Amino acid sequence: QVQLVESGGGVVQPGRSLRLSCAASGFTFSTYAMHWVRQAPGKGLEWVAVISYDGRYKYYAESVKGRLTISRDNSRDTLYLQMNGLRPEDTAVYYCARVGVDTAMVGWLDPWGQGTLVTGSS
Amino acid sequence: EIVMTQSPATLSVSPGERAMFSCRASQNVGSNLAWYQQKPGQTPSLLIYGTSTRAAGIPARFSGSGSGTEFTLTIASLQSEDFAVYYCLQYNNLWTFGQGTKVEIK
Repeated sequence: QVQLVESGGGVVQPGRSLRLSCAASGFTFSTYAMHWVRQAPGKGLEWVAVISYDGRYKYYAESVKGRLTISRDNSRDTLYLQMNGLRPEDTAVYYCARVGVDTAMVGWLDPWGQGTLVTGSS
Repeated sequence: EIVMTQSPATLSVSPGERAMFSCRASQNVGSNLAWYQQKPGQTPSLLIYGTSTRAAGIPARFSGSGSGTEFTLTIASLQSEDFAVYYCLQYNNLWTFGQGTKVEIK
């Protein structure tokens, strides 16, 4: 079955960097756009970034532009989120999610991984 | 940026009753709207996409309606497992979530 497994979260000092990974299985990863979504403790969902199936197109939420970078390695069926200059407000569970329809950029998000917690703290 | 506003923030409902809550978009999103359910400590789960299409395995008591800027999720007869937080998501112009509606037991 389709599975998305995030990793790489942890406690990070403000200003430092971290790279999250999302390992995909059970579907043809290279034909689906992929997203990152985050959820601060006790808060709602916030869309972070999307990357097209071939990696050519990337879009970001204004709140993370210039600091977070989405990328993918289709040979490894893995999605990444490079987080630079971490701020306390970046503290959240970070979920990767697949777009609902293959080869499409526009679409709902399904399924989601279980998430990985990033805590920005000194 | 499209802003999605959900109301109410909290809805108190008795089991077996109908629940309805709304999602309003600051711009026209056509029918590009989805609904998610999230239970405490769990990952969000897709309920509805394309405004009104139920995802695989979603019971018929869940229904979505609307278009443009006004959308509604209706749960026909609340079951115990339906008490959760519900989020709308527009995917017409980038992606934006609403702030959520918590459905709690009355």
